[in-house]
Amino acid sequence: TQLLEQSPQFLSIQEGENLTVYCNSSSVFSSLQWYRQEPGEGPVLLVTVVTGGEVKKLKRLTFQFGDARKDSSLHITAAQPGDTGLYLCAGEGDYKLSFGAGTTVTVRA
Amino acid sequence: DSGVTQTPKHLITATGQRVTLRCSPRSGDLSVYWYQQSLDQGLQFLIQYYNGEERAKGNILERFSAQQFPDLHSELNLSSLELGDSALYFCASSAGGLAGVYEQYFGPGTRLTVT
Repeated sequence: TQLLEQSPQFLSIQEGENLTVYCNSSSVFSSLQWYRQEPGEGPVLLVTVVTGGEVKKLKRLTFQFGDARKDSSLHITAAQPGDTGLYLCAGEGDYKLSFGAGTTVTVRA
Repeated sequence: DSGVTQTPKHLITATGQRVTLRCSPRSGDLSVYWYQQSLDQGLQFLIQYYNGEERAKGNILERFSAQQFPDLHSELNLSSLELGDSALYFCASSAGGLAGVYEQYFGPGTRLTVT
């Protein structure tokens, strides 16, 4: 059983469309991190959110941490083929990160 | 390039054998974490070391052990290997690890295949 539930599991969209990935838990986290992983490589940190209600923007990516620090979302505007990958959320607690199962995003040209 | 190095990149071995995976953290990072990633289990935290001391333990089997050396590199030892141990093993490092927010940087991984 995953501590963090990510949805959807798979997402396939056309270039230029928007997408949102969700990360939900019944646990409260000190912080939440989002990573992107490409096949055969290690996850790459995208952002860390710490404060409940926090919104961070990285170019076309918008990350939000829920007010209760139990959930988060990642929104990509005008997706590009380079956004293709496995998106993982990870919650920090008890000196360790607990990862969700990930959302596989495919952006078709 | 995250600055974390792992060797070897690929490892193929037989059931019952023992292997050692090696990780060098980013320069200046004191914490090292080991993760196992398989298709059915996702990314699972195994163990963390901070400046040579074990700091946190996750879903690590008794057949697995790790250590962090004075130069801060770490090794993960896997023994009595089973087919189900086939997976990607990642090492990550961070500057902190005692408390508070810390950001982890992952190495490229070691792909272990047990036949």
